[in-house]
Amino acid sequence: AQSVAQPEDQVNVAEGNPLTVKCTYSVSGNPYLFWYVQYPNRGLQFLLKYITGDNLVKGSYGFEAEFNKSQTSFHLKKPSALVSDSALYFCAVRESNNDMRFGAGTRLTVKP
Amino acid sequence: DAGVIQSPRHEVTEMGQEVTLRCKPISGHNSLFWYRQTMMRGLELLIYFNNNVPIDDSGMPEDRFSAKMPNASFSTLKIQPSEPRDSAVYFCASSSGTSSYNEQFFGPGTRLTVL
Repeated sequence: AQSVAQPEDQVNVAEGNPLTVKCTYSVSGNPYLFWYVQYPNRGLQFLLKYITGDNLVKGSYGFEAEFNKSQTSFHLKKPSALVSDSALYFCAVRESNNDMRFGAGTRLTVKP
Repeated sequence: DAGVIQSPRHEVTEMGQEVTLRCKPISGHNSLFWYRQTMMRGLELLIYFNNNVPIDDSGMPEDRFSAKMPNASFSTLKIQPSEPRDSAVYFCASSSGTSSYNEQFFGPGTRLTVL
């Protein structure tokens, strides 16, 4: 069965600095990978996904993620963090015909 | 589009009472998912439907939980009887088509507190 791991519970960065939120996955076939963001008292919002093709995926709000098959990773990145990016970030993986598995989440705090 | 609509947004009930959570997916979406989020267990998939048919309910914790989707625009998640350990935020999500690579759109959630 597929699984996903987010090794960091918390990531702190200063505003204007680049940010990375890490995600690794485990699947037996080809993965479909997703990033979602959750703001307080809100549902999850879709940021971006990797299906096939270019390993660098660009998404909403200036975020991007790089699919690395050899390292089974799909890290979320942004060149310059904003205070408003502070939220809970979830990585998710889905194999064909299986349910989506979410990571435990990483709380990103961007300090002014 | 109004997005996924869930009601109620907050529910406080006493142990043993029946609780019904409601969801209206985005119009035209074929798949609907029910999730539960807690601090201890994170986000858990309870059940999902494709074209109103339950596909996988292996995440439903007990027989006290049941879900229905009588038509393409409405689904319910029922807990009977409710217990304090059912306290959580319950999310409904929908996606277009039934392909595994379609992203899901989440509702605002229902915060359930069972006293």
